[in-house]
Amino acid sequence: AQKITQTQPGMFVQEKEAVTLDCTYDTSDPSYGLFWYKQPSSGEMIFLIYQGSYDQQNATEGRYSLNFQKARKSANLVISASQLGDSAMYFCAMREGDGTGNQFYFGTGTSLTVIP
Amino acid sequence: NAGVTQTPKFRVLKTGQSMTLLCAQDMNHEYMYWYRQDPGMGLRLIHYSVGEGTTAKGEVPDGYNVSRLKKQNFLLGLESAAPSQTSVYFCASSSWRGVSYEQYFGPGTRLTVT
Repeated sequence: AQKITQTQPGMFVQEKEAVTLDCTYDTSDPSYGLFWYKQPSSGEMIFLIYQGSYDQQNATEGRYSLNFQKARKSANLVISASQLGDSAMYFCAMREGDGTGNQFYFGTGTSLTVIP
Repeated sequence: NAGVTQTPKFRVLKTGQSMTLLCAQDMNHEYMYWYRQDPGMGLRLIHYSVGEGTTAKGEVPDGYNVSRLKKQNFLLGLESAAPSQTSVYFCASSSWRGVSYEQYFGPGTRLTVT
């Protein structure tokens, strides 16, 4: 079974609108971390936001927020007020365990295009 | 502050040739990782290391070897390259920071095996 599933290969959003990128995960470990990364066309991986499995509140970082629904095992990324520079690939990732094993799993990504 | 660097940035190999990719980080991170990125596949973990002198297999370790002789360096070796190893290779490092293990990525190495 896939550890991380991103079901949206491509998304379009109008500039200044909000967009939600979906991510579901699969783990039986009670301790895990969820991450979102952005990969622009230049290729580098940019960390956006983190959510721990024990965090009570949804994570927020500027225009990025993570809609964490633990029972559904989903960790959707919400980008508010989209900008042209948000056009990129977005990857959801999970770290299983408390860090001693420290394996990371990535989804296949969602390509976001912001339309002017 | 260089962060994570990778050498080389591009390489073309013939089938059967060997090469080593070098990853270096200057953040004193304990953990280091090697991933490959293929179209439509996302990033897949090849090998990782939780400290100097220790390595472990990831999701797709076959055909690769690694070494972590110094804390700041993590080497990825291909002993006999195959066309299936054509990919973009990313190195990353992380450490305990607050409550997360945020990974810092290198710029990637584009490898083509003909």
